[in-house]
Amino acid sequence: ETGVTQTPRHLVMGMTNKKSLKCEQHLGHNAMYWYKQSAKKPLELMFVYNFKEQTENNSVPSRFSPECPNSSHLFLHLHTLQPEDSALYLCASSREIGLAGSNEQFFGPGTRLTVL
Amino acid sequence: AQSVTQLDSQVPVFEEAPVELRCNYSSSVSVYLFWYVQYPNQGLQLLLKYLSGSTLVKGINGFEAEFNKSQTSFHLRKPSVHISDTAEYFCAVDYGQNFVFGPGTRLSVLP
Repeated sequence: ETGVTQTPRHLVMGMTNKKSLKCEQHLGHNAMYWYKQSAKKPLELMFVYNFKEQTENNSVPSRFSPECPNSSHLFLHLHTLQPEDSALYLCASSREIGLAGSNEQFFGPGTRLTVL
Repeated sequence: AQSVTQLDSQVPVFEEAPVELRCNYSSSVSVYLFWYVQYPNQGLQLLLKYLSGSTLVKGINGFEAEFNKSQTSFHLRKPSVHISDTAEYFCAVDYGQNFVFGPGTRLSVLP
């Protein structure tokens, strides 16, 4: 596989379920990102990891829990979500963070999440 | 503050007509500039980027963009659009410490 992959592509869950989104990058990058994209809203950066360390958490509710076991894999664990959390969740990676020219982001296809 | 502005949230245009999608960014010493395209229920894919050199950059699908440092702009253009160009277009700027996306412009190509 090449690029950035995300699974599952579609997920429907109830408010009491626990599920996880998975992202894998095959580009040899060191930084990974989770974004939320809701209808009619700009992209919202949720979490940033650099060399497996979380460097940014943009006031995301605790019902979203990220995990980055290595530079190639990123998870988003979901529990007790609300209907307003329904959105497209995008994963991205970049070579590095903070060095101009290394921040270009490469995106996965996204997971379409519906919370009932 | 580092920001990216896309003033047009929606741009309707007839097939085979030219189109320009505008992007302005807050001033910085040096930046790298990008345009991404997003088709429905897909991720963002890179259309083109400006890193250095010629200010006119050509990308995929017949799109091009021009970097104008004095106006801090990076407008995207295509001389003749197709129905298949209907998508959301995002301008993005690498400020070094941050990679900032604009809010996006929805391009709708009408038959």
